[in-house]
Amino acid sequence: GAVVSQHPSRVICKSGTSVKIECRSLDFQATTMFWYRQFPKQSLMLMATSNEGSKATYEQGVEKDKFLINHASLTLSTLTVTSAHPEDSSFYICSARDLRTSGVGTQYFGPGTRLTVL
Amino acid sequence: QKEVEQNSGPLSVPEGAIASLNCTYSDRGSQSFFWYRQYSGKSPELIMSIYSNGDKEDGRFTAQLNKASQYVSLLIRDSQPSDSATYLCAVKSRRGTDSWGKLQFGAGTQVVVTP
Repeated sequence: GAVVSQHPSRVICKSGTSVKIECRSLDFQATTMFWYRQFPKQSLMLMATSNEGSKATYEQGVEKDKFLINHASLTLSTLTVTSAHPEDSSFYICSARDLRTSGVGTQYFGPGTRLTVL
Repeated sequence: QKEVEQNSGPLSVPEGAIASLNCTYSDRGSQSFFWYRQYSGKSPELIMSIYSNGDKEDGRFTAQLNKASQYVSLLIRDSQPSDSATYLCAVKSRRGTDSWGKLQFGAGTQVVVTP
């Protein structure tokens, strides 16, 4: 199977601090990972596409200086929420694209990180 | 018009019955289609993928794709209370507009299976 992990699963921080979230593909290499955010009872919202060895591609309206993405290896992407504020409190979910099953690839999701900013 | 549309529900289904979920998409050149299940407070979990017209069965789940009509559906047979979740339809649009495999997600259909 394709397993994606995220760490931490839950984080509570004070306003103004930075929080780093890790996303790992455990049994496959992922040149592409995606970061989503989901507010309660709302749809998944794609924030950015993370590509190994290159700059991330951010969706319209997502501040790249606030949400720093680093995809330094084929199995690890990190999202850093800088100077977090209460409005950044959300459920952050990563996914990794597994190319083993098809040329297009299949996205498998990590378990998510629930961020609460006080 | 949204790229991927689903009825938000809730879709109430008696235990043991068939749940039928529909999804329509706007990009006629779309190539790949996925159904994910998301329990409340959890991340999405892949149920099925389908790439060709017709039916694809996996256990109690059947995905149906009709590219001419631009819809994809999911049937859940013998519905169980554990199937109560939100089901997300996801579509990979045509090659060339995005080389990274970005998916367009519907808003999801909430399914409630009643004992």
